[in-house]
Amino acid sequence: GNSVTQMEGPVTLSEEAFLTINCTYTATGYPSLFWYVQYPGEGLQLLLKATKADDKGSNKGFEATYRKETTSFHLEKGSVQVSDSAVYFCALKVTGGGNKLTFGTGTQLKVEL
Amino acid sequence: DVKVTQSSRYLVKRTGEKVFLECVQDMDHENMFWYRQDPGLGLRLIYFSYDVKMKEKGDIPEGYSVSREKKERFSLILESASTNQTSMYLCASRGQGREKLFFGSGTQLSVL
Repeated sequence: GNSVTQMEGPVTLSEEAFLTINCTYTATGYPSLFWYVQYPGEGLQLLLKATKADDKGSNKGFEATYRKETTSFHLEKGSVQVSDSAVYFCALKVTGGGNKLTFGTGTQLKVEL
Repeated sequence: DVKVTQSSRYLVKRTGEKVFLECVQDMDHENMFWYRQDPGLGLRLIYFSYDVKMKEKGDIPEGYSVSREKKERFSLILESASTNQTSMYLCASRGQGREKLFFGSGTQLSVL
């Protein structure tokens, strides 16, 4: 079956620190990969996506590269801000089977001054 | 921008009550979804719908049912609420053939 494994949180960083949130996946077929972000009190929003191997998704200074050889889609940002504090979800979608998204458990990020 | 509206932000119900959670989207999306979000478990799909009057079970449908009588509205029903259904419920929608999911801000349901 399909599954997504994320690093456990919370991750606490100082402002301007480098961020990595690890995500690995298991999928039947060739998935599209996503990062969603959930700010406090809000629903999830799409942050970035990649649809095939070696694609890099990027948005708001965040980026993630679809690595088929390591089945990974790690999220990175060079310099985090307090406003990046949120819960980050890695997800995958395999074509067919209802095109459902399978989510990871989420990683909470706290950025402090 | 797409708007997905969930009728209640917080809801408190008693064990055994019938509970309706409503979700409305304003962008004519064909696909709608209900997830529950629990700490350490992430989001789990309860039910989804491809079109009016169509519904499919997700990964954890037990204890839930859904209704999609109109394209813009997707309702989640707890026939007899139980304490293990205390959770954050998230509705989402997506256009046909599109990849981006749009989420509502969630309903925190407490069953006492």
